[in-house]
Amino acid sequence: AQTVTQSQPEMSVQEAETVTLSCTYDTSENNYYLFWYKQPPSRQMILVIRQEAYKQQNATENRFSVNFQKAAKSFSLKISDSQLGDTAMYFCAFMKPLGGSQGNLIFGKGTKLSVKP
Amino acid sequence: EPEVTQTPSHQVTQMGQEVILRCVPISNHLYFYWYRQILGQKVEFLVSFYNNEISEKSEIFDDQFSVERPDGSNFTLKIRSTKLEDSAMYFCASRFTGSMNTEAFFGQGTRLTVV
Repeated sequence: AQTVTQSQPEMSVQEAETVTLSCTYDTSENNYYLFWYKQPPSRQMILVIRQEAYKQQNATENRFSVNFQKAAKSFSLKISDSQLGDTAMYFCAFMKPLGGSQGNLIFGKGTKLSVKP
Repeated sequence: EPEVTQTPSHQVTQMGQEVILRCVPISNHLYFYWYRQILGQKVEFLVSFYNNEISEKSEIFDDQFSVERPDGSNFTLKIRSTKLEDSAMYFCASRFTGSMNTEAFFGQGTRLTVV
């Protein structure tokens, strides 16, 4: 069974600084997808970034980037130039390709990020 | 931009009562999901639905739960005889079919409070 572990329950960062959120996972699959979702106080889950396991290049979306280490089963999220609006709960999630499952996501417990002015 | 909508945003119900949580997925999506998040805990998969039937369910999704797509737009989660421990945020999600379309779009959630 796949598991996702986020070892940092809470983190804080000063505005404009950089912060890295950690995520490790366990799977015997070779092909899969990894995601970071953001859940602000409004509660709606928003996709931040995704990574296909077969791609060696780390995904980047503006201020958000990942460090994907497949052999180590590590998938960390780096937020550069942190903004107050980045304050939220961040969830790491794992998904097998649709052919191997019905696409359900397995989430970690989340990291609560606070960006301080 | 298309979005997943859920109603109601908050529902309070008495223990033992039945509740129906409603979701309108994105119109051209074919895979539908319900997730649950107990306050302060991780988001947990409940069930996935494709081609008008349950395709996968977790151990949480026992006989008190059921899902239905009664028409071409709604996707509902019914909880029979609610228990206090059913109090949680329930999220609906949908996904377009196809291996390259892997993003799940989530609704804003329904907060269920069982008293």
